[in-house]
Amino acid sequence: QSALTQPPSASGSPGQSVTISCTGTSSDVGGYNYVSWYQQHPGKAPKLMIYEVSKRPSGVPDRFSGSKSGNTASLTVSGLQAEDEADYYCSSYAGTVFGGGTKLTVL
Amino acid sequence: EVQLVESGGGLVQPGGSLRLSCAASGFTFSSYWMHWVRQAPGKGLVWVSRINSDGSSTSYADSVKGRFTISRDNAKNTLYLQMNSLRAEDTAVYYCARRGGVGATPNAFDIWGQGTMVTVSS
Repeated sequence: QSALTQPPSASGSPGQSVTISCTGTSSDVGGYNYVSWYQQHPGKAPKLMIYEVSKRPSGVPDRFSGSKSGNTASLTVSGLQAEDEADYYCSSYAGTVFGGGTKLTVL
Repeated sequence: EVQLVESGGGLVQPGGSLRLSCAASGFTFSSYWMHWVRQAPGKGLVWVSRINSDGSSTSYADSVKGRFTISRDNAKNTLYLQMNSLRAEDTAVYYCARRGGVGATPNAFDIWGQGTMVTVSS
């Protein structure tokens, strides 16, 4: 399987919203509602932020939301805060493929 | 507390072997599929291998197939990754991760270990 496609970087000012895309194919992102998103701070393990396209695990702020259209999934972070600065990865279906990661910078 | 703790990483020469362990606690380990995911320095997450709940089914990334073996001991609540014929490109932090979807747990990698570093170099 090929890696999912994410933009290498994204940025926004505090309080703004930013959206990160994750593009796959009809065999992964488009074919199943199992897209998940992970946040990773430097030197730390990844943390689950969104699962099954748009669901949030307990404890994840509702500033984080997910959606999907066709073969592209999206993670939106609203009301950006300094602590949101991190790398974000998408994953699809059974988790055997990840996106290349997006570095989110809070300006 | 639900947690995963990896161990066994270190420095190994090319062609050498290493066995990683991942100790699980705080949940019914035998109910969950488990995965290994790695991250080379400065790079992204890459899926390595997975094993089903009773250990009867495994799957591997093409890059490690035939060299790595995933296994588990449900009596000891421990996941393993036996790595043979190691190459420089296997250098990475190796994470074990729980695949949820049992009961009310998210169907995703909902629990991650802290990672263990493997360095392949002469």
